[in-house]
Amino acid sequence: DGGITQSPKYLFRKEGQNVTLSCEQNLNHDAMYWYRQDPGQGLRLIYYSQIVNDFQKGDIAEGYSVSREKKESFPLTVTSAQKNPTAFYLCASNSMRGSQDTQYFGPGTRLTVL
Amino acid sequence: AQSVAQPEDQVNVAEGNPLTVKCTYSVSGNPYLFWYVQYPNRGLQFLLKYITGDNLVKGSYGFEAEFNKSQTSFHLKKPSALVSDSALYFCAVRSRGFQKLVFGTGTRLLVSP
Repeated sequence: DGGITQSPKYLFRKEGQNVTLSCEQNLNHDAMYWYRQDPGQGLRLIYYSQIVNDFQKGDIAEGYSVSREKKESFPLTVTSAQKNPTAFYLCASNSMRGSQDTQYFGPGTRLTVL
Repeated sequence: AQSVAQPEDQVNVAEGNPLTVKCTYSVSGNPYLFWYVQYPNRGLQFLLKYITGDNLVKGSYGFEAEFNKSQTSFHLKKPSALVSDSALYFCAVRSRGFQKLVFGTGTRLLVSP
């Protein structure tokens, strides 16, 4: 899991509430990513950011929002508009320089909607 | 469009036997190919990657993978499996100059004692 931290490890939410998942990296990586993992579906990209103050939608951005105010931080907010938010959420980062282009992952946050 | 196929949901192998986890891909241009491993309730750990050069890539924990351009495959292999290799394995691909990775659906490897 290296220098990427995610908190909390487990998160419980009532329907209708917004929740924010934290992701911090100390690897000096430019790019950061949020994925959602559901059983049997692999990883699906929610949002990604290649530079501070800029981010792009991934394949399943509806019901989610992000910010990138600092290079080290890329928090994900799961809004009440997300219809099925129970999942395992993974944050990743990579340098965009030369061959150092491997994505490294944090330990994940498991979100359960009650 | 980029895509990855992992045709086997689960692979069963006895400890000490060789293992292969299959991956085929589709991408425009030259691919960057990756293998990751995931243990229960953990993040993905990077195993190895193919960028260019030798088609046989060696990675962590004794794993290796062979890039086959004509068959668009990147199968993961290990000569002698360990019980501790039991985990979920993901293949991923992206094209050069494109930062988004596309993942396969994963293959569960079960190594029996």
